[in-house]
Amino acid sequence: NAGVMQNPRHLVRRRGQEARLRCSPVKGHSHVYWYRQLPEEGLKFMVYLQKENIIDESGMPKERFSAEFPKEGPSILRIQQVVRGDSAAYFCASSPGLGQPQHFGDGTRLSIL
Amino acid sequence: QQPVQSPQAVILREGEDAVINCSSSKALYSVHWYRQKHGEAPVFLMILLKGGEQKGHDKISASFNEKKQQSSLYLTASQLSYSGTYFCGTEIGDSGGGADGLTFGKGTHLIIQP
Repeated sequence: NAGVMQNPRHLVRRRGQEARLRCSPVKGHSHVYWYRQLPEEGLKFMVYLQKENIIDESGMPKERFSAEFPKEGPSILRIQQVVRGDSAAYFCASSPGLGQPQHFGDGTRLSIL
Repeated sequence: QQPVQSPQAVILREGEDAVINCSSSKALYSVHWYRQKHGEAPVFLMILLKGGEQKGHDKISASFNEKKQQSSLYLTASQLSYSGTYFCGTEIGDSGGGADGLTFGKGTHLIIQP
């Protein structure tokens, strides 16, 4: 009965490096969502994916950020050439379908030096 | 459009009741409620769909007034474990039922004192 698994839990990068955040949804869930949370703030929607498709990426910055959910393997949120402002907690959630509850992983806390 | 939550923070003694409100300027399809403790993942509490409904389990319940585009979360006889930040997440009415991610409010901090 594994929930949403995210790794790593903590990630430290220097400015200009790449950050890769992984998310394995609950078994049987085909919908994956990525959110970003700054300290003392709410969660901000970034992108919604189904297997091999990006459904809605309206919340994701146009540059440096990309996401995928391949047929096999976890969903990946990729941030290229990281800057200090990318420091945040990144949460992944999955659901079995539209209008269903989203179950969150424990998040990846990204720190940029 | 981010939903507005009120109050921003509330401090209660164990056993007291609390109401947290969430309102939107757009027609809503659904409202999701989550509780998040510091440094942890948000935990799903309940979802309310348009059509106007009320739900509850244990001492936590919620209502959804579709016409007013608002939802309220009711915590009765609060326990220490209820402490945390409560977020409402909304899906707007023209998304056809959740095609987009949730838009979350800024949260309501709830502190329960013994």
